[in-house]
Amino acid sequence: QVTLKESGPVLVKPTETLTLTCTVSGFSLSNSRMGVSWIRQPPGKALEWLAHISSNDEKSYITSLKSRLTISKDTSKSQVVLTMTNMDPVDTATYFCARIRYSLPDYWGQGTLVTVSS
Amino acid sequence: EIVMTQSPATLSVSPGERATLSCRASQSISSNLAWFQQKPGQAPRLLIYGASTRATGIPARFSGSGSGTEFTLTISSLQSEDFAVYYCQHYNNWPQWTFGQGTKVEIK
Repeated sequence: QVTLKESGPVLVKPTETLTLTCTVSGFSLSNSRMGVSWIRQPPGKALEWLAHISSNDEKSYITSLKSRLTISKDTSKSQVVLTMTNMDPVDTATYFCARIRYSLPDYWGQGTLVTVSS
Repeated sequence: EIVMTQSPATLSVSPGERATLSCRASQSISSNLAWFQQKPGQAPRLLIYGASTRATGIPARFSGSGSGTEFTLTISSLQSEDFAVYYCQHYNNWPQWTFGQGTKVEIK
């Protein structure tokens, strides 16, 4: 059974760095046909893809946030980590991780709501 | 960046009726389009990929069509569990995805 679970702080202050962890099970992060992406959704708004890491460690980022994002993975721990620097209230959102297979997100985590406020 | 535009923003439909949702891409994306359903408090669920192929376990009342820049999701006979927000998403220049802004299907 494939599952993904996001974890991290529920509240961060402006200018702080956010670190989120996606722990996966039911598949391996080294599987050549699979990767993991992070996607966010501000309250009441649309989905926004943020970053992707492939099985061979290739990384991709949304152009508008590239300077603030870092994605990495620890295959032995089955974890993918996203860091976002210089957080702002507009970054308040539910952050999802999703398994990507053949370019599509076929399994998603439940999401974690991150609020940016002083 | 490819911009995805969905219409209408809200669609009011009675149970049992047909719902037709539209999605337009700012440039051709061939058939590299997916549709997702999202219910409150839940993650999105993949419904359709390749513009017209239903994902595993998706009922036949959901169908997708289109190619290039114009796409449609049709729900042939709305069931109570189908009232949700629907998003289109292109994956033409993977992994630089973009999503549409969503169409809310509500009970009339």
